[in-house]
Amino acid sequence: DARVTQTPRDKVTEMGQEVTMRCQPILGHNTVFWYRQTMKQGLELLAYFRNRAPLDDSGMPKDRFSAEMPDATLATLKIQPSEPRDSAVYFCASAGSGNQPQHFGDGTRLSIL
Amino acid sequence: GNSVTQMEGPVTLSEEAFLTINCTYTATGYPSLFWYVQYPGEGLQLLLKATKADDKGSNKGFEATYRKETTSFHLEKGSVQVSDSAVYFCALSNSGYSTLTFGKGTMLLVSP
Repeated sequence: DARVTQTPRDKVTEMGQEVTMRCQPILGHNTVFWYRQTMKQGLELLAYFRNRAPLDDSGMPKDRFSAEMPDATLATLKIQPSEPRDSAVYFCASAGSGNQPQHFGDGTRLSIL
Repeated sequence: GNSVTQMEGPVTLSEEAFLTINCTYTATGYPSLFWYVQYPGEGLQLLLKATKADDKGSNKGFEATYRKETTSFHLEKGSVQVSDSAVYFCALSNSGYSTLTFGKGTMLLVSP
């Protein structure tokens, strides 16, 4: 089965460090989503892209977060500088065109000390 | 704006018990409704969906009916198994499958 692949699976780092999370969407999917999951807030949509163009990043703190799609097979989410409150599980999901369901990766578990 | 409200968990059941997880929503227009399941250490998986009023989504013994009059999409299963232990998320979308709005999730724990 085709899967969304996220790396790294786990990341522990100190506050102030740059963090880069990567996502390989399912081949042929043209829409990519980034979510953050915490116990307090649940699942929050951070940003999403269609055909590599950012459509909405209103859920993302602009001062420290950035999301890009350098090519159709890679999406990145960067945090610089990181803060302890960024600790969460970050999920990437992708979907094909024509109202196809979202497929989620297994997430990156981020801990900022 | 859109919102989804789910019953708080955990829901604790014995194997073969009947399951109901309540979900109500607020949305403009006619949203599509979904249930996703998240097993420990994994991402979310689509469990079932319904795209219009009175539709019933079903999969793996789970069912949910889109009730427009009560703005609800309750998840049910007649006989749960230990392997159903997971977190269940209700979600809606106003534009097909894009931009899902999720509830906070309900943890289900099934004991032998």
